[in-house]
Amino acid sequence: DSGVTQTPKHLITATGQRVTLRCSPRSGDLSVYWYQQSLDQGLQFLIQYYNGEERAKGNILERFSAQQFPDLHSELNLSSLELGDSALYFCASSVEVWFVGGQDEKLFFGSGTQLSVL
Amino acid sequence: GESVGLHLPTLSVQEGDNSIINCAYSNSASDYFIWYKQESGKGPQFIIDIRSNMDKRQGQRVTVLLNKTVKHLSLQIAATQPGDSAVYFCAERGGETSYDKVIFGPGTSLSVIP
Repeated sequence: DSGVTQTPKHLITATGQRVTLRCSPRSGDLSVYWYQQSLDQGLQFLIQYYNGEERAKGNILERFSAQQFPDLHSELNLSSLELGDSALYFCASSVEVWFVGGQDEKLFFGSGTQLSVL
Repeated sequence: GESVGLHLPTLSVQEGDNSIINCAYSNSASDYFIWYKQESGKGPQFIIDIRSNMDKRQGQRVTVLLNKTVKHLSLQIAATQPGDSAVYFCAERGGETSYDKVIFGPGTSLSVIP
């Protein structure tokens, strides 16, 4: 158990709908990452938040948005869903270890939310 | 553009043998590299990491080698066990700051033959 909790585990919805995926990071972790995993695209970075603020953005569609709340949990909102949005969505939180000259960052992943758009 | 790729998409190894999984990266500014293991139905799990100022790091049964000259990363698993069967991803953190995103390669599927 990584300590990262994602809900729901499975989500089945129809095209055009909107869903919200939820993530609770490990206790003490300030960073939350969202990744999309599909068979043909691998693990694609979507977005990262650090202590409530957006830190980095990847290949996230405009139909998708995320936020991190004061209690550090995060939500990924997917709207106007298309068939191609069907994928496994992972949340990860990170431990940042600082050293002279840089920073290590280990990601701890949740079990994912399997989204099926029909 | 940035990319992290793997030479071999699948690898089959006899139980007890050593496994070597390779990874090529393209961003010479990447400062931190990580290997993750993903078992079926689970999220990726951290295995080992290495900073760009190192060329080798060892863990329990695993060794990561970094060759910055050719932008190549490898994961060596000693005495491979059936429980090592999984998809292995290399990942890099690149860019101008230490806050840059962590990018994953496409993954290599490792199958251990009992």
